[in-house]
Amino acid sequence: DTAVSQTPKYLVTQMGNDKSIKCEQNLGHDTMYWYKQDSKKFLKIMFSYNNKELIINETVPNRFSPKSPDKAHLNLHINSLELGDSAVYFCASSPRGGSYEQYFGPGTRLTVT
Amino acid sequence: AQTVTQSQPEMSVQEAETVTLSCTYDTSESDYYLFWYKQPPSRQMILVIRQEAYKQQNATENRFSVNFQKAAKSFSLKISDSQLGDAAMYFCAYRSWTGGSEKLVFGKGTKLTVNP
Repeated sequence: DTAVSQTPKYLVTQMGNDKSIKCEQNLGHDTMYWYKQDSKKFLKIMFSYNNKELIINETVPNRFSPKSPDKAHLNLHINSLELGDSAVYFCASSPRGGSYEQYFGPGTRLTVT
Repeated sequence: AQTVTQSQPEMSVQEAETVTLSCTYDTSESDYYLFWYKQPPSRQMILVIRQEAYKQQNATENRFSVNFQKAAKSFSLKISDSQLGDAAMYFCAYRSWTGGSEKLVFGKGTKLTVNP
């Protein structure tokens, strides 16, 4: 069974378009995250949600808007896509307490042309 | 703010030999978690090993072990009996807990090549 899933896995689109990436976790975790991995493989947090509430917004352009309809889902909508948005976007989730390990989805490779 | 530094962009090792990947971090917290994640070409992020800062004993998972030096803020990963499947990017990560919010702060990664 997939723990953290993302759709789509690949996304190719043109500048100026709007696109969404969906994430779902079936682990019962309270907290979900979006990370961005750039072309140099550097991973950086973008957002975190705890029980549908936005907790972290790491100075991400407001063209990026996360939405959490329930605690098992965290979607990422991107408006007016730019070339620099090309990256791999990872969704992750973690439980409260315990070892604090974050479980990652398979990533979505976004290419903006 | 916490920072994580991996000073080795690339490393290589012969199959069956041992390799150590370096990681240092900066924090003012006394209790925290550290992780090593592996990212093979499939790009899936896989947890390799975790260390709780309050535990003095170094974590071990099969062929993977860490050398955790809290005072020096060092957290290196040792891979013994390297296998071809160990070839991947390895990321050191610090769990930051600030103002009720939690996130992982990653180093820039070390690309490990395993030579047959």
